[in-house]
Amino acid sequence: SQQGEEDPQALSIQEGENATMNCSYKTSINNLQWYRQNSGRGLVHLILIRSNEREKHSGRLRVTLDTSKKSSSLLITASRAADTASYFCATAFYGQNFVFGPGTRLSVLP
Amino acid sequence: DTEVTQTPKHLVMGMTNKKSLKCEQHMGHRAMYWYKQKAKKPPELMFVYSYEKLSINESVPSRFSPECPNSSLLNLHLHALQPEDSALYLCASRERAQETQYFGPGTRLLVL
Repeated sequence: SQQGEEDPQALSIQEGENATMNCSYKTSINNLQWYRQNSGRGLVHLILIRSNEREKHSGRLRVTLDTSKKSSSLLITASRAADTASYFCATAFYGQNFVFGPGTRLSVLP
Repeated sequence: DTEVTQTPKHLVMGMTNKKSLKCEQHMGHRAMYWYKQKAKKPPELMFVYSYEKLSINESVPSRFSPECPNSSLLNLHLHALQPEDSALYLCASRERAQETQYFGPGTRLLVL
């Protein structure tokens, strides 16, 4: 069964605005990761947050993790047109392989 | 070198053809993966190789045949594919379990 589920499925914002994407999952995790995929290309790892962490930053990215609610959010601040892509969360747990959520398609309009 | 390379970038094949996809990494990663991705969907795991041994086959049809000749190379042999097999095929590698996976750019496959 699908583990991570992103919300919203599609998001359009203006350049300079912040974009927030959410991910929910169903079972225990070791860590949760966010990946970006530009149209028709490979996935690029953005950030990894471990199950004992609550918040992590990387440049314009801020990720939070709430294990009690089994959810995570990815915030991109001051978005740029180059941030237009699909964003996937992926969960990892011992003895299991990555499970990707369905993804959020972000469009940043100039 | 943190790059995973895949060849070819694009492939068009008929249902009776035999072709191969190739993936290479020189990061010393001991686990390598094949994923299939349809448009607007997340990647779906097909195969996992760990220390050059096939550890996971996610019920993939036998018309897909993986091969790991050495720790840096991963092949996916294709035979008698169906049009519904048209997709983006992604290769990935990782150093440690549950940690970051590094993806190649993918091979876009069209089966006619």
